[in-house]
Amino acid sequence: SYVLTQSPSVSVAPGKTARITCGGNNIGSKSVHWYQQRPGQAPVVVIYYDSDRPSGIPERFSGSNSGNMATLTISRVEAGDEADYYCQVWDSSRARLVFGGGTKMTVL
Amino acid sequence: EVQLVESGGGLVQPDRSLRLSCAASGFTFDDYAMHWVRQAPGKGLEWVSGITWNSGDIIYADSVKGRFSVSRDNAKNFLYLQMNSLRAEDTAFYYCAKDRELVFAGLDVWGQGTTVIVSS
Repeated sequence: SYVLTQSPSVSVAPGKTARITCGGNNIGSKSVHWYQQRPGQAPVVVIYYDSDRPSGIPERFSGSNSGNMATLTISRVEAGDEADYYCQVWDSSRARLVFGGGTKMTVL
Repeated sequence: EVQLVESGGGLVQPDRSLRLSCAASGFTFDDYAMHWVRQAPGKGLEWVSGITWNSGDIIYADSVKGRFSVSRDNAKNFLYLQMNSLRAEDTAFYYCAKDRELVFAGLDVWGQGTTVIVSS
């Protein structure tokens, strides 16, 4: 089955840039979606189709996808960005949605 | 405002059944696929099931196949998840989520979730 691999955690100082990666076999051929889940809240999409940003999501959030790695980049990190982040793809070969294990981002 | 409201969760004994409902509003329900996603306590997101706009394609995670059944009522704007033969490992927060397409792609709106606890 298709597996998405995320680092369990990342720490970043306020004002710096965070990069959260999502590894998968030839993930560049798939569309990647990213979700932010703050503690006690439902997930919210922050990037869809690799690099599109929903209305209401700050421009500080951006995404890229190529080869075997997709990346969510958060610029000028703020305390309110502290959350769990999940990547997700549609695995058409097995007809299922697949989530990465999630990355917990801590703002120092 | 696009809104998804889940209901039907609760405490249930192993091997029993439970039916979750999701009321959708604020968008044309039958224009989109819908999903159920769950999250066990302290764990990550796990996709459970999806159903296309017209119920033409219905898919399940291996962990629930044969035990869970998803359906939708486009006239009433409701999504359902019938959960049979429940196990302790089904204990989780269950989210209803809207796909951004008629078929399966990615999720753009999530409900607030409902808790299912399977315990004797």
